[in-house]
Amino acid sequence: TQTVSQSDAHVTVFEGDSVELRCNYSYGGSIYLSWYIQHHGRGLQFLLKYYSGNPVVQGVNGFEAEFSKSDSSFHLRKASVHWSDSAVYFCAASMGNTGANTGKLTFGHGTILRVHP
Amino acid sequence: EAGVTQSPRYAVLQEGQAVSFWCDPISGHDTLYWYQQPRDQGPQLLVYFRDEAVIDNSQLPSDRFSAVRPKGTNSTLKIQSAKQGDTATYLCASSLGWGGDEQYFGPGTRLTVL
Repeated sequence: TQTVSQSDAHVTVFEGDSVELRCNYSYGGSIYLSWYIQHHGRGLQFLLKYYSGNPVVQGVNGFEAEFSKSDSSFHLRKASVHWSDSAVYFCAASMGNTGANTGKLTFGHGTILRVHP
Repeated sequence: EAGVTQSPRYAVLQEGQAVSFWCDPISGHDTLYWYQQPRDQGPQLLVYFRDEAVIDNSQLPSDRFSAVRPKGTNSTLKIQSAKQGDTATYLCASSLGWGGDEQYFGPGTRLTVL
């Protein structure tokens, strides 16, 4: 069983600042990691994912995330945020097994990002 | 391309009442998921289907919850006798394949049980 933890419930920054949203996971096997964004009153939207290869993955709207096996982390970053990035961000994990993924996503509790204009 | 649609968007019930949620996934997506998202928490998987077959319903409270996807397209999630603890947003998602690829979420149904 994998677990996903997001240590920051709230992060507040100003427009143009850089931001890092933290995600740590626990699982002994191969794992798919992804980030989703949820704007108020809407469903989740996929941002990016990692399974293997380059540990830095690029997503939509200037987001990127870096996988670290040694730290069991998959932190999300953006160099310069916009007020429209204000939303809840969820880190998710699913078990991978030699390329076959079970499809069962385990989500963290989410981080609320507030960007002040 | 139309996204995942869900109805109703909101439901308010008294304890003991029944309710059904309906989901229309993206056309061609063979895998469909139902999640429960309590307030201020991440989504928690209840059940998922590959075509019409249930792949995993281990987190579905089977005494009161049921889910079907009879033709491998639309799906219905039903709560027979709602409890206050069922208050949450119910999200439907779909994907092509097993979900190592991204999942596409609907807007959800916000359920309040009084």
